[in-house]
Amino acid sequence: AQSVTQLGSHVSVSEGALVLLRCNYSSSVPPYLFWYVQYPNQGLQLLLKYTSAATLVKGINGFEAEFKKSETSFHLTKPSAHMSDAAEYFCAVSGFSGGYNKLIFGAGTRLAVHP
Amino acid sequence: DAEITQSPRHKITETGRQVTLACHQTWNHNNMFWYRQDLGHGLRLIHYSYGVHDTNKGEVSDGYSVSRSNTEDLPLTLESAASSQTSVYFCASSVGAPPQDTQYFGPGTRLTVL
Repeated sequence: AQSVTQLGSHVSVSEGALVLLRCNYSSSVPPYLFWYVQYPNQGLQLLLKYTSAATLVKGINGFEAEFKKSETSFHLTKPSAHMSDAAEYFCAVSGFSGGYNKLIFGAGTRLAVHP
Repeated sequence: DAEITQSPRHKITETGRQVTLACHQTWNHNNMFWYRQDLGHGLRLIHYSYGVHDTNKGEVSDGYSVSRSNTEDLPLTLESAASSQTSVYFCASSVGAPPQDTQYFGPGTRLTVL
């Protein structure tokens, strides 16, 4: 069965600093992996997704993630944080589990950006 | 522009009452999903539908039901609301089915059961 672990429920960075949000997955088959962002009082918005093409995936707003099979990781990075990046970020793995295909979400990481 | 909407955005109800949350999408997507979001749990799938008249149970379906009479709408009904169903509910839709298709989410409904 697939699962997702996001390390760190809260991450705080300074404006202009590197953003690193960690995601590890478990899957018995090649996974499809997603990062979603949720701004306050809004729904989830897709940042990027990995579907077994290039291992380095570029998304919106300057974010990117690298699929590392040997480490079962899909960490999200951004070279320089902006105040507008403050939000909650969810990693998700998609696959067959419990008798059907579904998205399985991590618990989320809340990113705070301070001046 | 095509979109996915949910109503109401906020709802307070009492234990034992029946509650229906609406979800409407204008993308003409075949697939629609309902999730609940609780602190520390991320999003968990309640029900999903792959087309008109098709409905399926997700991992936390007890106490919930859905019906799909057209492509655009997937209402979620709480038959007899319980305090444990206090949560934020998100509807989503996609063109294709999982695993690889992107799901597009509505803005959410915050439900409080007193």
